[in-house]
Amino acid sequence: DSGVTQTPKHLITATGQRVTLRCSPRSGDLSVYWYQQSLDQGLQFLIQYYNGEERAKGNILERFSAQQFPDLHSELNLSSLELGDSALYFCASSVAGTGGSEQYFGPGTRLTVT
Amino acid sequence: AQRVTQPEKLLSVFKGAPVELKCNYSYSGSPELFWYVQYSRQRLQLLLRHISRESIKGFTADLNKGETSFHLKKPFAQEEDSAMYYCALNQGYGGATNKLIFGTGTLLAVQP
Repeated sequence: DSGVTQTPKHLITATGQRVTLRCSPRSGDLSVYWYQQSLDQGLQFLIQYYNGEERAKGNILERFSAQQFPDLHSELNLSSLELGDSALYFCASSVAGTGGSEQYFGPGTRLTVT
Repeated sequence: AQRVTQPEKLLSVFKGAPVELKCNYSYSGSPELFWYVQYSRQRLQLLLRHISRESIKGFTADLNKGETSFHLKKPFAQEEDSAMYYCALNQGYGGATNKLIFGTGTLLAVQP
């Protein structure tokens, strides 16, 4: 068990709604990453936070936002949801913010937009 | 452009046969590469990091900078190896950021 936890496991919501996904990193890890896994796009990096600050951005839509709190847990907010946002959303964590660290993944949140 | 290519969507082998999962990368600097395994759409598990050169579950991978490859190998496949395997490149290696670029994955099916 990698120690990264994510809630909820499953989320079903309607188009136009807003949801929040939560992630708690492994003990001692300062960096949190969010990834989206979908059948058509594969695994895509969304955003990285390190010790509360945004460190890197990937293919994250403007409707999506994230933050990392002082206790290092992170939340990914998805708004104005569309059918195409249905995917598995993974959180990962690593020790440091600089290069050379392995990322450990959580179990994911499966989002279904109907 | 930085990218990771896994040319095979599916690799089917018999139990006991050798396995090679191909991964090629494109990266302008010195790469940091990983292999991750995913069983039945569960969490991704780190299998290998090229720098540590450890062998996990009998799998090994060697970085070949000349051929820009990082193929995953195992001499004798087991049924429990059946899973999706992803090769990943750390785009931020050596810098202030970490972001993994994943290949499209190869589904390994080990037949009894």
